[in-house]
Amino acid sequence: QVQLVQSGSELKKPGASVKVSCKASGYTFTNYAVNWVRQAPGQGLEWMGWINTNTGNPAYAQGFAGRFVFSLDTSVTTAYLQISSLKAEDTAVYYCAREVATIEFRSSWFDPWGQGTLVTVSS
Amino acid sequence: DIQMTQSPSSLSASVGDRVTITCRASQSISDYLNWYQQKPGKAPKLLIFVASNLQSGVPSRFSGSGSGTDFTLTISSLQPEDFATYYCQQSYSTPPTFGQGTKLVIK
Repeated sequence: QVQLVQSGSELKKPGASVKVSCKASGYTFTNYAVNWVRQAPGQGLEWMGWINTNTGNPAYAQGFAGRFVFSLDTSVTTAYLQISSLKAEDTAVYYCAREVATIEFRSSWFDPWGQGTLVTVSS
Repeated sequence: DIQMTQSPSSLSASVGDRVTITCRASQSISDYLNWYQQKPGKAPKLLIFVASNLQSGVPSRFSGSGSGTDFTLTISSLQPEDFATYYCQQSYSTPPTFGQGTKLVIK
């Protein structure tokens, strides 16, 4: 079945870096973009950006350019989110999600989502 | 950016009730509106895409409607497993944006 499996929870100190992985299976990886969504504790969903799995080109939402980097390894059908210079306010669950876009509907949606990776930044 | 506003933010209901959640866009988004369900500690799950299309495997008690700026998610007869937080999301323009969520709790 189509699924995205993310790496496990991380506890990091301020200023460190973290790399979250998102392993795709059950579909042709390069046919669908991967999006990243952040959810701070007790808060809603915030779109961070996406990566084109064909070209490897990323695009970042406002506020996520610079310290946040999306990358791919298509040989293992995996997308990555790297966050550098971590701050306490980066503490959140980070989700990857496959973006389904169809000609029929001329629209897109996110399905499925990875199970989420909790990144905790604390000294 | 398009702002999505859900109402109510929290809703108390009983098993068997009919429930409606509203989502309003700050500008017209045609029918480019999706609904997700999120249970505590779990990832969001797609329920409805393009305003009214039921995702495969989602029970038929869920339905969506609307176009332009006003949309609704209806659960015709609440089941115990439906108590969760629901989010709308517009895909009309980048960045895609989510509503703040509606938490459905047991009365």
